[in-house]
Amino acid sequence: SQQGEEDPQALSIQEGENATMNCSYKTSINNLQWYRQNSGRGLVHLILIRSNEREKHSGRLRVTLDTSKKSSSLLITASRAADTASYFCATDAFQGNKLVFGAGTILRVKS
Amino acid sequence: EAQVTQNPRYLITVTGKKLTVTCSQNMNHEYMSWYRQDPGLGLRQIYYSMNVEVTDKGDVPEGYKVSRKEKRNFPLILESPSPNQTSLYFCASSFVRTGNYGYTFGSGTRLTVV
Repeated sequence: SQQGEEDPQALSIQEGENATMNCSYKTSINNLQWYRQNSGRGLVHLILIRSNEREKHSGRLRVTLDTSKKSSSLLITASRAADTASYFCATDAFQGNKLVFGAGTILRVKS
Repeated sequence: EAQVTQNPRYLITVTGKKLTVTCSQNMNHEYMSWYRQDPGLGLRQIYYSMNVEVTDKGDVPEGYKVSRKEKRNFPLILESPSPNQTSLYFCASSFVRTGNYGYTFGSGTRLTVV
């Protein structure tokens, strides 16, 4: 079952612009993670934010978490063509031993 | 290099012919898991393992078996594959549960059952 729902489903921007993707979830969480997947390849862990954190940065990535709204956003600043990929949020929700993934946002960065 | 290695990368097989997809990690992770990824359905967990000799079902375990005889290996076994098991499969590993660590994923195995 999918807990996270990403929005938008697809996003197309020009190189240098910022990209924002949103994720909503349904239950209380221990942490929320973002992953990137290049076409048909394995997922790569980008960043993890704990339930008691509100914002986290890693290079050009900025993640926010609002547990009252059960939502998170991923901001990629100064996007590059190499950022073209699918981005997934995943929640660790104290339910069994698994991450539950959303359906993903397809990001296309045009050069 | 820290990694999760899956083999094979691509596999085409016929209905009913037993197959095994191997997964090995070199990070001394306790936790390992198998996911399948299907269009429109996202990633769904098949089985997971908390440590050696400890395995449990995920969301879609029917038609699959796993074993964890060694910490580094977590093979996925399809005893009698069917066309609805055509999918992209990923193995992942992590310290303990997800805890405060992300998963490391393998590169995937694209399986076609005809």
